[in-house]
Amino acid sequence: AQRVTQPEKLLSVFKGAPVELKCNYSYSGSPELFWYVQYSRQRLQLLLRHISRESIKGFTADLNKGETSFHLKKPFAQEEDSAMYYCALKYSGTYKYIFGTGTRLKVLA
Amino acid sequence: GAVVSQHPSWVICKSGTSVKIECRSLDFQATTMFWYRQFPKQSLMLMATSNEGSKATYEQGVEKDKFLINHASLTLSTLTVTSAHPEDSSFYICSAPGSGSGEQYFGPGTRLTVT
Repeated sequence: AQRVTQPEKLLSVFKGAPVELKCNYSYSGSPELFWYVQYSRQRLQLLLRHISRESIKGFTADLNKGETSFHLKKPFAQEEDSAMYYCALKYSGTYKYIFGTGTRLKVLA
Repeated sequence: GAVVSQHPSWVICKSGTSVKIECRSLDFQATTMFWYRQFPKQSLMLMATSNEGSKATYEQGVEKDKFLINHASLTLSTLTVTSAHPEDSSFYICSAPGSGSGEQYFGPGTRLTVT
């Protein structure tokens, strides 16, 4: 069955520390994966998509098909990174998504 | 960038009444829109896919007669919660896909409280 797993509900790190938000998926087709972020009282917005292989706000994510993972990383966390992060998998041939349960990142001063 | 709006942002209704939530794509056309439900501190649960000019596609377990979806134009989809009950109280979010990138643009959400 198709599934996206984010094992951590809450991740607290100190400012300047490295951050890794975990995302694992289960999908029989060719996966397209995304990270979305929701800042306090704001709507969900795209952070990263795996096909772009880009770095946004210092965050990167690499698709590892062998480990079926798409972990989000940042070498030095900043307070403004505090938000809810969702990993999402897009079904092939459609725009439909499955979302993970989300990880709340708190960056402490 | 593309913007999706929702109206209202917050609605309170009495049990047994119906309430309509609108989702609009402001500067782009959307033949497909999605409706999600989000419980407090939980993830988004896809309820249905709204298709312009045809019937919506509902996810398993979602009552199509309770959550009526109409996608009457290329920029507007509506979700009507019929005969609302307190357990329908939730945060309802819509989204529309961007062109070709796989990205979705999300509305700000509508908080429904049924008393």
